[in-house]
Amino acid sequence: GQNIDQPTEMTATEGAIVQINCTYQTSGFNGLFWYQQHAGEAPTFLSYNVLDGLEEKGRFSSFLSRSKGYSYLLLKELQMKDSASYLCAAPMIYNQGGKLIFGQGTELSVKP
Amino acid sequence: GAVVSQHPSWVICKSGTSVKIECRSLDFQATTMFWYRQFPKQSLMLMATSNEGSKATYEQGVEKDKFLINHASLTLSTLTVTSAHPEDSSFYICSARDETSEDYNEQFFGPGTRLTVL
Repeated sequence: GQNIDQPTEMTATEGAIVQINCTYQTSGFNGLFWYQQHAGEAPTFLSYNVLDGLEEKGRFSSFLSRSKGYSYLLLKELQMKDSASYLCAAPMIYNQGGKLIFGQGTELSVKP
Repeated sequence: GAVVSQHPSWVICKSGTSVKIECRSLDFQATTMFWYRQFPKQSLMLMATSNEGSKATYEQGVEKDKFLINHASLTLSTLTVTSAHPEDSSFYICSARDETSEDYNEQFFGPGTRLTVL
């Protein structure tokens, strides 16, 4: 089966660094997505990792270890606007037509 | 990036009525679109996969006769919630893949439709 786990909520301070972890168990592997979702809005794409290692995009970086079934999203120089839910998602494969399975999301609160 | 729109952005209806939600890919064609439902403080749950020109594929536990999906063109999918009840109140989000994109698996999400059934 497929399963994705993330912490439910995290709190961090403005200007700090926070790491949001995601562990996954999938029947195959076709990459891992991170999305950001503000309350009442649709998710927006942050990153897509297929290969092991760290990919950096400005203040946001995403890491993947396929052997460990583990990924994390790293947010640097936190800003108040980074308060949102962060969703880890994996595509289902084996002719599943591109369906995504989502983790439960991590609600990040950034405090002054 | 690719843009997906949804209409309406919010709707309030009486119990027992039907509501239609549209999902459009604005600058690309999508043979496949996905419909999700999200309850407060919860993650997105896939309801069904909408396939252009053929029947939708529903996830386990989703009533196909209650949530009617039509994907009549390469840029439009509709979700109709029939005989809506208060427990159907939720945030409905569609997504689509740009199958010509290098990032084949990336899905682009619509802005969502907030449905409230009184």
